[in-house]
Amino acid sequence: QKEVEQNSGPLSVPEGAIASLNCTYSDRGSQSFFWYRQYSGKSPELIMFIYSNGDKEDGRFTAQLNKASQYVSLLIRDSQPSDSATYLCAVTGAGSYQLTFGKGTKLSVIP
Amino acid sequence: EPEVTQTPSHQVTQMGQEVILRCVPISNHLYFYWYRQILGQKVEFLVSFYNNEISEKSEIFDDQFSVERPDGSNFTLKIRSTKLEDSAMYFCASSERAGTQPQHFGDGTRLSIL
Repeated sequence: QKEVEQNSGPLSVPEGAIASLNCTYSDRGSQSFFWYRQYSGKSPELIMFIYSNGDKEDGRFTAQLNKASQYVSLLIRDSQPSDSATYLCAVTGAGSYQLTFGKGTKLSVIP
Repeated sequence: EPEVTQTPSHQVTQMGQEVILRCVPISNHLYFYWYRQILGQKVEFLVSFYNNEISEKSEIFDDQFSVERPDGSNFTLKIRSTKLEDSAMYFCASSERAGTQPQHFGDGTRLSIL
């Protein structure tokens, strides 16, 4: 059974701070890693994806992947109240098309 | 920016009835997916579809469910003999290629079974 684990939160950070979201996965063969943002009652919106060990930056967002530790994280710099949402970690396995999602971490950015 | 379109946004159906949820994937995408999210729970994979056949399906996707690409643009999910526990948000997604390519989600259909 492939599992993706996230701290459900809520994670509260002040406006302008760095928010750090973490995710671990059980399938060592996992190949692709995605972060989605989901506002309440809305659909998942792709934020970042990463395939290789290390960091990947896109604007205020940085994804970090450590396959040896089976760990992926998302850093949000200069957090804004509009970043308040649930962040979903999702993973695809080797030869698999399906995304396995974690339960998500709820982030609150306090003005 | 191209997007995945789903209709209807909300479907209310009596238990035991059949429903068809519709999706128009992004036009140059070749892989299509259905996911569901029961209120307060995580997003769950149902099925993936490529080249007019199912590529992969989960344990949830039993004989009650079927998918079809009836024409060059639409992708549908049919649920037969609906049950109360089928009440959920159903999301369609598409991607250019499988596996490593990001999947883009539609706005979803909220299915309420009475």
